[in-house]
Amino acid sequence: KNQVEQSPQSLIILEGKNCTLQCNYTVSPFSNLRWYKQDTGRGPVSLTIMTFSENTKSNGRYTATLDADTKQSSLHITASQLSDSASYICVVSDEYGGATNKLIFGTGTLLAVQP
Amino acid sequence: DVKVTQSSRYLVKRTGEKVFLECVQDMDHENMFWYRQDPGLGLRLIYFSYDVKMKEKGDIPEGYSVSREKKERFSLILESASTNQTSMYLCASNSYSLYNEQFFGPGTRLTVL
Repeated sequence: KNQVEQSPQSLIILEGKNCTLQCNYTVSPFSNLRWYKQDTGRGPVSLTIMTFSENTKSNGRYTATLDADTKQSSLHITASQLSDSASYICVVSDEYGGATNKLIFGTGTLLAVQP
Repeated sequence: DVKVTQSSRYLVKRTGEKVFLECVQDMDHENMFWYRQDPGLGLRLIYFSYDVKMKEKGDIPEGYSVSREKKERFSLILESASTNQTSMYLCASNSYSLYNEQFFGPGTRLTVL
């Protein structure tokens, strides 16, 4: 069964500190993996997208890594800010631009950055 | 920028009422999707549409129907709302592409009393 699991479920860090969120998946075939940021009461917004041939992708203070062999991804946040407080969702696609666009969603990691 | 809008941010309805949730996208995307999001369960696909007047069931279509009369608009209908349909509803859209990234609306928080 295709699944995406994220850890930890929730995380509290102090402003200015770094943190790493984990995503493990059992999706086959694999097309791509994305990380979304979802602020409270808002829709998810894409941070990074990686295909199987990419092992790292950065977007400002966010850096995602992908190990297609072990089926693991991580999202590293550098020098955290209060605005980073949100839910971070890992999403894996098993279709390559296909018509059904099937996405498998993780349940998210809730990050709280405290001053 | 891609813009996906939803008709209401918050909605409160009573059990048995018919509920319409509207979604509009301005990027001429072929595909549109409706999800619900519940704590601990993540996003679950209710219905999607890959063309005008076309619809496909997602993972949890029971109790819902959809309508797509125009390319830019996708409606989710709860024929007779029930308390277990209290949830956050998210609309998304995309076009056929290498990465098939979906762009999400802001969500509608529906409460059924």
